[in-house]
Amino acid sequence: RKEVEQDPGPFNVPEGATVAFNCTYSNSASQSFFWYRQDCRKEPKLLMSVYSSGNEDGRFTAQLNRASQYISLLIRDSKLSDSATYLCVVNMEDSSYKLIFGSGTRLLVRP
Amino acid sequence: GAVVSQHPSWVICKSGTSVKIECRSLDFQATTMFWYRQFPKQSLMLMATSNEGSKATYEQGVEKDKFLINHASLTLSTLTVTSAHPEDSSFYICSAGGGYSQHYEQFFGPGTRLTVL
Repeated sequence: RKEVEQDPGPFNVPEGATVAFNCTYSNSASQSFFWYRQDCRKEPKLLMSVYSSGNEDGRFTAQLNRASQYISLLIRDSKLSDSATYLCVVNMEDSSYKLIFGSGTRLLVRP
Repeated sequence: GAVVSQHPSWVICKSGTSVKIECRSLDFQATTMFWYRQFPKQSLMLMATSNEGSKATYEQGVEKDKFLINHASLTLSTLTVTSAHPEDSSFYICSAGGGYSQHYEQFFGPGTRLTVL
């Protein structure tokens, strides 16, 4: 079983749609969780950290379910510029900077 | 967010040569730096973890004698691909983690695209 699993997609949605990505992780000791965005041939960029209580940043909402070891990202009112690969990332163990990346979910937003 | 630079952004070299890639944290002191490799349509794979002033920790399957890492200061880490071969062609990305963040975020450099002919 992969340490971080994501649906690879692609998710092909029209502008304005709401889209949700899911992710599961295997290491119950993981303490920090993130969503990164990666554009083609570019480095990953931090989209948002995921907090236990869930958090929202504009059109983006992240949720964490520790019991199920499940993380989600919701994007509302999709824009063309949201087209990218979204990476679910967890730290490997408590008090560590070492991160494990999911393989990413590709999002295509069409006009 | 914190800024991490990488140099060069791309390099083309002949098989057998060595290539050095620099990673710098520009506005913070990076306790730890990481080196990743990404092949087309694949996710980032961690190669090694580098702590300032100590030897790097390599992931399983990564040859430490081929991928030399030096972390001389809190703002600079270098990766040298020795005797590069075509199969080493990849996108190499560094990242830096700083002690200021309680959530252990990493900030990535822009990457170096290596092509070995």
